[in-house]
Amino acid sequence: DTAVSQTPKYLVTQMGNDKSIKCEQNLGHDTMYWYKQDSKKFLKIMFSYNNKELIINETVPNRFSPKSPDKAHLNLHINSLELGDSAVYFCASSLRTSGFNEQFFGPGTRLTVL
Amino acid sequence: AQTVTQSQPEMSVQEAETVTLSCTYDTSENNYYLFWYKQPPSRQMILVIRQEAYKQQNATENRFSVNFQKAAKSFSLKISDSQLGDTAMYFCARGKTSGSRLTFGEGTQLTVNP
Repeated sequence: DTAVSQTPKYLVTQMGNDKSIKCEQNLGHDTMYWYKQDSKKFLKIMFSYNNKELIINETVPNRFSPKSPDKAHLNLHINSLELGDSAVYFCASSLRTSGFNEQFFGPGTRLTVL
Repeated sequence: AQTVTQSQPEMSVQEAETVTLSCTYDTSENNYYLFWYKQPPSRQMILVIRQEAYKQQNATENRFSVNFQKAAKSFSLKISDSQLGDTAMYFCARGKTSGSRLTFGEGTQLTVNP
């Protein structure tokens, strides 16, 4: 019955590697998001997709590339990982893009780059 | 940049007592949405309460209520009859009517002591 799921929950990797984090929502929502939570717990939007189309792309290095094969999935690919990429990454979804929409969050993926 | 500010990095309260967490924000819009999210040690982001800016009546959810002062751009969270399970990081967030991003505050770590 998980609403928004992410895999893996923990990811430890070496600098320079390429990794992916998967996200799926079974809520029938149109809009999905990726947020980054840094070591000071600050949460910031990275990307947002509405029905497979990119609608928000913050100033994120182009090593980060979101991919949405369908509106229930939004995966995050990270190339050439750097130490500063270590953080918790949250996927979220909401019913629509605009209006009074609660965002439902996944459990987060803790990425550690060594 | 339009920001959300939580001026209390940490707070503590005794079980069964009442505590208020502060939040101020900056916006040039007349209508928007405000949220309080809770992040317990499990890392899961959980919606606590939400408020539409055009509604003057303060939102209430069981032991949680807000004091929304639109002119002052203030949105504080009151937790009554605090419980040990309320121990968590609390984030204030602002959403826009058009566009879906949430802008989060820095968070307040609340500890409920037995």
